[in-house]
Amino acid sequence: NAGVTQTPKFRILKIGQSMTLQCTQDMNHNYMYWYRQDPGMGLKLIYYSVGAGITDKGEVPNGYNVSRSTTEDFPLRLELAAPSQTSVYFCASSQGQGWGNEQFFGPGTRLTVL
Amino acid sequence: QKEVEQDPGPLSVPEGAIVSLNCTYSNSAFQYFMWYRQYSRKGPELLMYTYSSGNKEDGRFTAQVDKSSKYISLFIRDSQPSDSATYLCAMSALSGNTPLVFGKGTRLSVIA
Repeated sequence: NAGVTQTPKFRILKIGQSMTLQCTQDMNHNYMYWYRQDPGMGLKLIYYSVGAGITDKGEVPNGYNVSRSTTEDFPLRLELAAPSQTSVYFCASSQGQGWGNEQFFGPGTRLTVL
Repeated sequence: QKEVEQDPGPLSVPEGAIVSLNCTYSNSAFQYFMWYRQYSRKGPELLMYTYSSGNKEDGRFTAQVDKSSKYISLFIRDSQPSDSATYLCAMSALSGNTPLVFGKGTRLSVIA
């Protein structure tokens, strides 16, 4: 099993450009998450999904969009990139929530907006 | 007050030292407590998880939860340079679709 994979690993965007961060998991997990991690600020939840077709906002959803058409994929869309979106983005998945349902993280995408 | 508070460090210790990492929280509904380890330029990985109050030991690592004080700890015995990483606490409520709430992480360096 590859676990959680993310593409691209690195990306530089110009202000106003758009892009999609890809996330795929092969563990048949119901739950998927997108986080951003800024230096010294920990993980902040952007969006999450409890199953195909269902998404919900996290702590910092502004400027992002998501969709969940399949169990495996959970892409994150940036429509109008801003310098404040420079960060490391992590995708994660879990079977459920609560006891024993650990979140498995991908390797991250480093995004710079100039 | 933030839901989860964690001293960001950095914390630097000599090899072989006992390390204590801590988090405090304000939400009394939290029942599941986890510690994640994150190496530089990698994604976090689950290190330990516990339910409610008490201790859990796994090799050199011990996780401790004190719900009365809303305080959790991770102890690392005989610390090794390979333990150098950022350690994040995470917690969630008992039921429902509430995602994990993470602390900011403590950066640990173990010096040989």
